[in-house]
Amino acid sequence: NAGVTQTPKFRILKIGQSMTLQCTQDMNHNYMYWYRQDPGMGLKLIYYSVGAGITDKGEVPNGYNVSRSTTEDFPLRLELAAPSQTSVYFCASYRGGATDTQYFGPGTRLTVL
Amino acid sequence: AQKVTQAQTEISVVEKEDVTLDCVYETRDTTYYLFWYKQPPSGELVFLIRRNSFDEQNEISGRYSWNFQKSTSSFNFTITASQVVDSAVYFCALSEEGGYQKVTFGTGTKLQVIP
Repeated sequence: NAGVTQTPKFRILKIGQSMTLQCTQDMNHNYMYWYRQDPGMGLKLIYYSVGAGITDKGEVPNGYNVSRSTTEDFPLRLELAAPSQTSVYFCASYRGGATDTQYFGPGTRLTVL
Repeated sequence: AQKVTQAQTEISVVEKEDVTLDCVYETRDTTYYLFWYKQPPSGELVFLIRRNSFDEQNEISGRYSWNFQKSTSSFNFTITASQVVDSAVYFCALSEEGGYQKVTFGTGTKLQVIP
């Protein structure tokens, strides 16, 4: 199993540009998450999904959109990038059981200039 | 509102010393979940443990142990006989729901283990 994969690893955007961060998991997990981590801080939840076709907002959803058309993929879309979106983005997945482990992707470091 | 406080910003220990990372939480719910995560210098995130509020038994996993005390709203993490590979930022987190949807993270404690 590859686990959770994210692309790209690094990206520099100009203000106002858009992009999609890709996240794929091959563990058939129902739950998937997008977090952002600002320097020196813990993670904040952007969006999450409890299964294909079902998504919901987390703590900091403004400026982002998601979709979940398949169990495997959970892309995060940034529209009109702003410097405040400079961060490291982590995707994670979890099967759904009471003691199940949450798995993280390697992260995408995004800089908006 | 839920809150997680990790008062120790940075800790340095010499290899083989024991070290305890503190975590204090606030929640109004009687059912909640506590977590610890590790973030090594390479930047990836590693899930360490999840504990629900009804299970106050201490957990031990190798050199790692966790002490959950509802009376003091604390969920402390101890590393016994620390090793250089334990150097990382450790995050404590809290969720008032069963999944990871509403998790609030602390600001992390940076642990440096000196050889």
